[in-house]
Amino acid sequence: GENVEQHPSTLSVQEGDSAVIKCTYSDSASNYFPWYKQELGKGPQLIIDIRSNVGEKKDQRIAVTLNKTAKHFSLHITETQPEDSAVYFCAGTVTGNQFYFGTGTSLTVIP
Amino acid sequence: DARVTQTPRHKVTEMGQEVTMRCQPILGHNTVFWYRQTMMQGLELLAYFRNRAPLDDSGMPKDRFSAEMPDATLATLKIQPSEPRDSAVYFCASGGHTEAFFGQGTRLTVV
Repeated sequence: GENVEQHPSTLSVQEGDSAVIKCTYSDSASNYFPWYKQELGKGPQLIIDIRSNVGEKKDQRIAVTLNKTAKHFSLHITETQPEDSAVYFCAGTVTGNQFYFGTGTSLTVIP
Repeated sequence: DARVTQTPRHKVTEMGQEVTMRCQPILGHNTVFWYRQTMMQGLELLAYFRNRAPLDDSGMPKDRFSAEMPDATLATLKIQPSEPRDSAVYFCASGGHTEAFFGQGTRLTVV
């Protein structure tokens, strides 16, 4: 099955700086890559996703890039704010199948 | 505001007791996932269903766990008998063809 690795496990940035979280995957058949944000005591919330036929996708301050050749994808958060502090999970899947999650990145934005 | 609803949100039970967790998927979604989250193992897939039929339950300890979808509006995860090592947060997620949306989880503590 798919193996998704995520780095770093913890990340601290100053408010206003950018944050980047990277994931790699092993199964070249994977074609859908969502990112989830999990706040304390809550369930993971889908924040952005990308499909394998797209190289980059943006939504306001967040963006995701995908390099199919290298089998890696990244989450970029610009102009970070304290409310961005949370645990972020990447995942990979073949559409319609189970999601394979990374181990999570705990992001702290320092005011 | 469509959302996945899980009950109960918290459950404390004694070892050996039966535990039933319930999930109401988003109306119209045909895929339901059960994930378990622990600090050590992260997000692990226990089982998932499509159109109420189980597709994969290889992540579940079969001797004590069971998952069912008695109808399209209800998914259940049952543990009998429960053990302290089952203490975790159990998430249900539902999805259509691609995206998956998580509920708020059931925090289970087995003492």
